[in-house]
Amino acid sequence: DTGVSQNPRHKITKRGQNVTFRCDPISEHNRLYWYRQTLGQGPEFLTYFQNEAQLEKSRLLSDRFSAERPKGSFSTLEIQRTEQGDSAMYLCASTADWGDTEAFFGQGTRLTVV
Amino acid sequence: GEDVEQSLFLSVREGDSSVINCTYTDSSSTYLYWYKQEPGAGLQLLTYIFSNMDMKQDQRLTVLLNKKDKHLSLRIADTQTGDSAIYFCAESGEYSSASKIIFGSGTRLSIRP
Repeated sequence: DTGVSQNPRHKITKRGQNVTFRCDPISEHNRLYWYRQTLGQGPEFLTYFQNEAQLEKSRLLSDRFSAERPKGSFSTLEIQRTEQGDSAMYLCASTADWGDTEAFFGQGTRLTVV
Repeated sequence: GEDVEQSLFLSVREGDSSVINCTYTDSSSTYLYWYKQEPGAGLQLLTYIFSNMDMKQDQRLTVLLNKKDKHLSLRIADTQTGDSAIYFCAESGEYSSASKIIFGSGTRLSIRP
């Protein structure tokens, strides 16, 4: 397993367009997280899945954002009607809910809204 | 609310020790972490310390925790150019529960020759 994989690595979109990002977690990890990181800040939690169930959503996740993990494996994060304020690095992390396993982060998808 | 604060920049000479400091507000924090982020790379967990410990050493890394003052530090001995990165202090109430991890804004470490 090569770790947490995120695609695309970079996305430039025009304001008002919809975008979708994908995250493939480490295969045996049942927990998957989405974070957002803006320039000069640390990552901020967006949402979290345990298997296919979305268990927690941050108040940062407006109704323009939706995340899915339909089969409990990969996850998608969609942003509708993008705004310039959505420009950020979107990070995915995965971990297992048993034992002392650390959370592994992907390299992120950098979104630029122009 | 929960907050983690750290200085934004640190510059050290190659071969010297680097000390990155952090303060946090949540007294119920159970785990405290140091993550490293290099340009174009994801976050890498460097080390963590459990709240009932005062110190943890791992090769060139030493973590000191003053729970009374809610102060955490990371010392990197013999700093090398490869240590140039942003270092994030973070805390959570549960190990490896990324949803509960609160990150600081990061300290950018630069190395002078």
